[in-house]
Amino acid sequence: QAVLTQPSSLSASPGASASLTCTLRSGINVAPYRMYWYQQKPGSPPQYLLRYKSDSDKQQGSGVPSRFSGSKDASANAGILLISGLQSEDEADYYCMIWYNRASVFGGGTKLTVL
Amino acid sequence: EVQLVESGGGLVQPGGSLRLSCAASGFTFSTFSMNWVRQVPGKGLDWVSYINSGSDTIYYADSLKGRFTISRDNAKDSLYLQMDSLRDEDTAVYYCARDDDFDSWGQGTLVTVSS
Repeated sequence: QAVLTQPSSLSASPGASASLTCTLRSGINVAPYRMYWYQQKPGSPPQYLLRYKSDSDKQQGSGVPSRFSGSKDASANAGILLISGLQSEDEADYYCMIWYNRASVFGGGTKLTVL
Repeated sequence: EVQLVESGGGLVQPGGSLRLSCAASGFTFSTFSMNWVRQVPGKGLDWVSYINSGSDTIYYADSLKGRFTISRDNAKDSLYLQMDSLRDEDTAVYYCARDDDFDSWGQGTLVTVSS
């Protein structure tokens, strides 16, 4: 079982909100980890969006709009990327990442379609 | 402006070697850790290796089994990845990324391993 699991796809309407989840493998508690989020559009490298560990330990990427935010759902053992006020330009692949056992681990990515 | 420019990719036969370079500018390279990440076209992100600012902490993905070596030259603002015993499955776009946060990425260089 992968360390980080993301749904492969998600669709949402313009103006709506989208909640992208990144679930940690059973036995790995999300609480102590900084979770990082990246956006990748076709033909371009990934771009850093933000990191979130807690409300007192979080960072927004330079120039990243505030409608991108991070959180955690302890009951689901997951990190969440919330995108509010969806725009067509938000259509992209989104990846989560944590540092786990001296290695960086990426989730498989979620393809977000805005339609 | 932070810039990372990868070079050194190309076509190589299985069992061959390549050395990738990442030229950094727009920031004090010697104070940041660096990473290599690869991506098979159409697939997800796969972390390769990490090196801290002073080169005294280095990590590799377990899957590489000692075939790759990361290094840096702070005097030249450059990061390197020596890849030996290349396999078909190493075919990917290789990105360098700055810091533990992966907050800046290069455009990538394509490595194709094929006979």
